[in-house]
Amino acid sequence: ELKVEQNPLFLSMQEGKNYTIYCNYSTTSDRLYWYRQDPGKSLESLFVLLSNGAVKQEGRLMASLDTKARLSTLHITAAVHDLSATYFCAVDGGWNTDKLIFGTGTRLQVFP
Amino acid sequence: NAGVMQNPRHLVRRRGQEARLRCSPVKGHSHVYWYRQLPEEGLKFMVYLQKENIIDESGMPKERFSAEFPKEGPSILRIQQVVRGDSAAYFCASSPRGGRDEQYFGPGTRLTVT
Repeated sequence: ELKVEQNPLFLSMQEGKNYTIYCNYSTTSDRLYWYRQDPGKSLESLFVLLSNGAVKQEGRLMASLDTKARLSTLHITAAVHDLSATYFCAVDGGWNTDKLIFGTGTRLQVFP
Repeated sequence: NAGVMQNPRHLVRRRGQEARLRCSPVKGHSHVYWYRQLPEEGLKFMVYLQKENIIDESGMPKERFSAEFPKEGPSILRIQQVVRGDSAAYFCASSPRGGRDEQYFGPGTRLTVT
């Protein structure tokens, strides 16, 4: 079964610093999603990556996809407190299913 | 445009009672997905429905859980004889055509079983 792993699971970082969250998945998928979730809230769609080499940026967040390595990264530049949240990646479950398989999540805390 | 709506947002049930969770998809969307999120975990797929049909229920527990998406009205996730382990956030998502269409998530229903 397709597995999606994220690391780190917890990330405490100082404002102004840069960091990268990694998302590995175990079988072929050409579509990857990044979501943000604030405590007690729903999922906010951040990025949809559709092909190998795709790179998307929004504000201080940049996501990329390497389908050959089965790896996506979410890079945070000059973190600010408002980015504190849990970040999930998700991939399509396969050619014969519409379900999404979610990673374990990375809880990010940005402190002054 | 209204997004995916779920109600109730919070639901408290005693062990052994029934829980009914409702999901109204985005207007015009005919594909609905239910996911469960246990505390401190990611979302896990439960079931995928189109109008009046269950397409994929591979993530549904074999007993006590059922889902429907009638021709008229919202999709319903029903949990009979709830147990403490059912306490979780249940999210509904919808898409216009299924397949590779992006899924749009609702605000979730947080079920607490006492």
